[in-house]
Amino acid sequence: DAKTTQPNSMESNEEEPVHLPCNHSTISGTDYIHWYRQLPSQGPEYVIHGLTSNVNNRMASLAIAEDRKSSTLILHRATLRDAAVYYCILHPRDNNNDMRFGAGTRLTVKP
Amino acid sequence: DAGITQSPRHKVTETGTPVTLRCHQTENHRYMYWYRQDPGHGLRLIHYSYGVKDTDKGEVSDGYSVSRSKTEDFLLTLESATSSQTSVYFCAIAGTHQETQYFGPGTRLLVL
Repeated sequence: DAKTTQPNSMESNEEEPVHLPCNHSTISGTDYIHWYRQLPSQGPEYVIHGLTSNVNNRMASLAIAEDRKSSTLILHRATLRDAAVYYCILHPRDNNNDMRFGAGTRLTVKP
Repeated sequence: DAGITQSPRHKVTETGTPVTLRCHQTENHRYMYWYRQDPGHGLRLIHYSYGVKDTDKGEVSDGYSVSRSKTEDFLLTLESATSSQTSVYFCAIAGTHQETQYFGPGTRLLVL
């Protein structure tokens, strides 16, 4: 079973920021927080990951709560191509083959 | 994009027939994975490999076997396909530190 909780769906307007939340209250100290997204008819695509500190890359930012029980994926300016299902996943450092995908959040971007 | 391909991309087969799906990578990555994706279940790990001839079971391995005789190829075999194995199958690869998995385009399998 997935160890994260995400809203089933969210909507955003094009060129506006999007904040995708994820709760992971049972996270352990060695769990990395990963985000992947899946565009229609494609395989999942890595977005970003972090352990304790906030992270930025060219695709997005990841904000991790101080107690690590929740995190937020931030898309700074949503585009129509960002419409996808976004998965928040806990990736145990000591069991790298146990990456459980939940149902994710379906993001709709309106023009 | 990571060099990872899957073949075939689509397949229709009948119950009881054997089916083999192929995953091919050009990245020389150590780890390879097979997932299935079904509505309401997200992606679930079937089998994975941590090196040539080194494989292990995932969450939903019953009815599936795998083989990895070369670094670049990871085969998934359904010895006797059943309708419950109708799904979209994704292969993924990861490097030594496994921090990121790169996924293939998927194989859509229909078992009649």
